Amino acid sequence: GQNIDQPTEMTATEGAIVQINCTYQTSGFNGLFWYQQHAGEAPTFLSYNVLDGLEEKGRFSSFLSRSKGYSYLLLKELQMKDSASYLCAGMDSNYQLIWGAGTKLIIKP
Amino acid sequence: DGGITQSPKYLFRKEGQNVTLSCEQNLNHDAMYWYRQDPGQGLRLIYYSQIVNDFQKGDIAEGYSVSREKKESFPLTVTSAQKNPTAFYLCASSKGGEIDTQYFGPGTRLTVL
Repeated sequence: GQNIDQPTEMTATEGAIVQINCTYQTSGFNGLFWYQQHAGEAPTFLSYNVLDGLEEKGRFSSFLSRSKGYSYLLLKELQMKDSASYLCAGMDSNYQLIWGAGTKLIIKP
Repeated sequence: DGGITQSPKYLFRKEGQNVTLSCEQNLNHDAMYWYRQDPGQGLRLIYYSQIVNDFQKGDIAEGYSVSREKKESFPLTVTSAQKNPTAFYLCASSKGGEIDTQYFGPGTRLTVL
């Protein structure tokens, strides 16, 4: 079956770095998406990886290893506004997104 | 401003009633999607449409219906046949290519009383 696993909740300190991991099993693979979702709001797109390696976008970076079925989202210089859920989604061979349950990130001062 | 709108933000209905959730986009996107989000679970696809007058069932279509009469609009009806309709409903759209980024509306929280 298809499955996306990510931790339920993580806590980090303002100004620090945090890494949110995601492992995936999909029928075929057409890339891995990360979204940010503040409570009660719409998910917003952060990144897309289809090739192995690290993609950097400002304070946020996303890494993919296709051989390991693994991705992570790295957030640097954490700010209080980064408190949100981070959703990992793999795209399968039918170009459908398979979603993880999300990781709730709590930032403490 | 281009974007996706969903209305209403909060919706209450009595058991046994049908209710329609609105989704409109002015991004000129071909594809539109409806998801359901429940606590502790990933987003689950209800229906999607790649083109006007055509739509496909997602993983949890039972108890739901949609229409796609206009490119901009993709309303979702939650029927009385849906056994557990209380949830947060998200509409999304994308340009329509195979590998495509989906952009989401603000969501509608439906509560069945």
